[in-house]
Amino acid sequence: QKEVEQDPGPLSVPEGAIVSLNCTYSNSAFQYFMWYRQYSRKGPELLMYTYSSGNKEDGRFTAQVDKSSKYISLFIRDSQPSDSATYLCAIPRRTGNQFYFGTGTSLTVIP
Amino acid sequence: DVKVTQSSRYLVKRTGEKVFLECVQDMDHENMFWYRQDPGLGLRLIYFSYDVKMKEKGDIPEGYSVSREKKERFSLILESASTNQTSMYLCASSFRLRGRRGYTFGSGTRLTVV
Repeated sequence: QKEVEQDPGPLSVPEGAIVSLNCTYSNSAFQYFMWYRQYSRKGPELLMYTYSSGNKEDGRFTAQVDKSSKYISLFIRDSQPSDSATYLCAIPRRTGNQFYFGTGTSLTVIP
Repeated sequence: DVKVTQSSRYLVKRTGEKVFLECVQDMDHENMFWYRQDPGLGLRLIYFSYDVKMKEKGDIPEGYSVSREKKERFSLILESASTNQTSMYLCASSFRLRGRRGYTFGSGTRLTVV
């Protein structure tokens, strides 16, 4: 079993929709979770991070962790065409300086 | 903001060539990494370095080597390029600041081996 798994999509939604992006992870000891956004032909950039349990909100983005089911989610409210990108979840490896990445979910927001 | 710069955005090389991919970061970070990114496979760690002249193999080091002669520069070397090394290569440095940690990535080098 992979340490973190992510539905690759692709996901296509109309502008203004609420988007839900999800990952599952295998090790209940993980306590720090990240979401990266990667635009086409660019490197990933850190979008949000959160520690275990609860929600973290940043503008239209909300990161949520459900430790009981080992599930992490990124919600995008009022999605915009500029949100079209690939979103990757990431979790630290044991060393803390390296990370496991999901394979990414490709999102297209249609105007 | 930390900047990680990869010298080439696109490269086309022939099978058997020796290929150098250069990466420079400007924030005095100790830890640097090389990944390749392929559809359906995600990001896979090739090599990493925690200090000058130090290198460690990642998950898929075969066919690659690295060089870190200066703290800010981490080079990936394809000793004899093959078509299965056609990929997007991403360099990253790691940061840790007031509870927030992660990678800063470069823009990537899309390498095609023909």
